[in-house]
Amino acid sequence: GAVVSQHPSWVICKSGTSVKIECRSLDFQATTMFWYRQFPKQSLMLMATSNEGSKATYEQGVEKDKFLINHASLTLSTLTVTSAHPEDSSFYICSARPGPTNEKLFFGSGTQLSVL
Amino acid sequence: GQNIDQPTEMTATEGAIVQINCTYQTSGFNGLFWYQQHAGEAPTFLSYNVLDGLEEKGRFSSFLSRSKGYSYLLLKELQMKDSASYLCAVRTSGTYKYIFGTGTRLKVLA
Repeated sequence: GAVVSQHPSWVICKSGTSVKIECRSLDFQATTMFWYRQFPKQSLMLMATSNEGSKATYEQGVEKDKFLINHASLTLSTLTVTSAHPEDSSFYICSARPGPTNEKLFFGSGTQLSVL
Repeated sequence: GQNIDQPTEMTATEGAIVQINCTYQTSGFNGLFWYQQHAGEAPTFLSYNVLDGLEEKGRFSSFLSRSKGYSYLLLKELQMKDSASYLCAVRTSGTYKYIFGTGTRLKVLA
């Protein structure tokens, strides 16, 4: 099946710093990737839809200046948490769909962010 | 708005059958998915329904009724390794976003 690689797996940072998370589709091209956030024992909350070569589409309530998304190529999307604060601590996970004929979403392994 | 509901927790015995329900109200519908997620790991795909009816895949089956906004995941011959969270997700039409339900934590007991 399709492979989505996400790095780093975990990161600890100081309050006020920025953190970049990378999501790569290894064996397929992804014009669209999705970024989710997950709190402990809760489901996935869609943050934004990342579109290659254009601006991301953010869900209601998600600050686009706080969570910067860049989808510069067909295999790479990045999420930057700017000026991170403890309330941004969460599990962030990206996903991608290989193409219009493949309905499944494939997920990266996730990034556990802890802001001190 | 988008609303996808599942029971929060379920418990079942090894070897038994369990049914996890999902009801949804979304802005458009373009398919329903079930994913399994073990703690701290990425979700893995289990099944996909776009037409009404039952889809069977080994020990797992999924049912969809679009008119009722209802789906269920049926797990047979439960094994300890089936202890996980089960996520129902709807792909919306138009924007093709994947919206996840509240998730059901299943505990399988020996």
